[in-house]
Amino acid sequence: GNSVTQMEGPVTLSEEAFLTINCTYTATGYPSLFWYVQYPGEGLQLLLKATKADDKGSNKGFEATYRKETTSFHLEKGSVQVSDSAVYFCALSDRSGNQFYFGTGTSLTVIP
Amino acid sequence: DTGVSQNPRHKITKRGQNVTFRCDPISEHNRLYWYRQTLGQGPEFLTYFQNEAQLEKSRLLSDRFSAERPKGSFSTLEIQRTEQGDSAMYLCASSLGGTGGAEGYTFGSGTRLTVV
Repeated sequence: GNSVTQMEGPVTLSEEAFLTINCTYTATGYPSLFWYVQYPGEGLQLLLKATKADDKGSNKGFEATYRKETTSFHLEKGSVQVSDSAVYFCALSDRSGNQFYFGTGTSLTVIP
Repeated sequence: DTGVSQNPRHKITKRGQNVTFRCDPISEHNRLYWYRQTLGQGPEFLTYFQNEAQLEKSRLLSDRFSAERPKGSFSTLEIQRTEQGDSAMYLCASSLGGTGGAEGYTFGSGTRLTVV
């Protein structure tokens, strides 16, 4: 079956630090992979995506590379800002898009 | 278009009461999804519609949960005889056909239900 495992939080970083949030997946076939971000009291916003192996998704300084050989999609940012404080969810979908499978989320707090 | 709209944003209800939530998707999106998110967890799939047809409902949590999308536009999610365990954020999302599988969904801000 399909599932996503992401590193547990919470994660606390100082401003301008390097961020990595690990995500690994189990899937049948060739899923698409996503990172969503959720700010307090809000719904989920799509951060970035990758639809095939070796694709790199990027947005707002965040990047993640679809690694089929390690079944991973780790999120990285070179220099975090206070405004990046949020909960980050890794997710996958099969090609039908009928259902997404989400990880449990990783809470990030960036301190000045 | 203002995105996916959910109402109400917050709902507090007494145990045993019925509640109904509304979702208005992006107008050109023909697929609509409902998810539930409990504290500290990722969203959990409940059901989805393509136009007015409910194509998957086996993941609804019990027979107290039901969803409709009568005209293929807005949708409602009803919970009958609420229990404290139903307290959660209920998220609606929409997509254009199956493109959500490659493009992702657009989520609303959710309805937070508290059962007291």
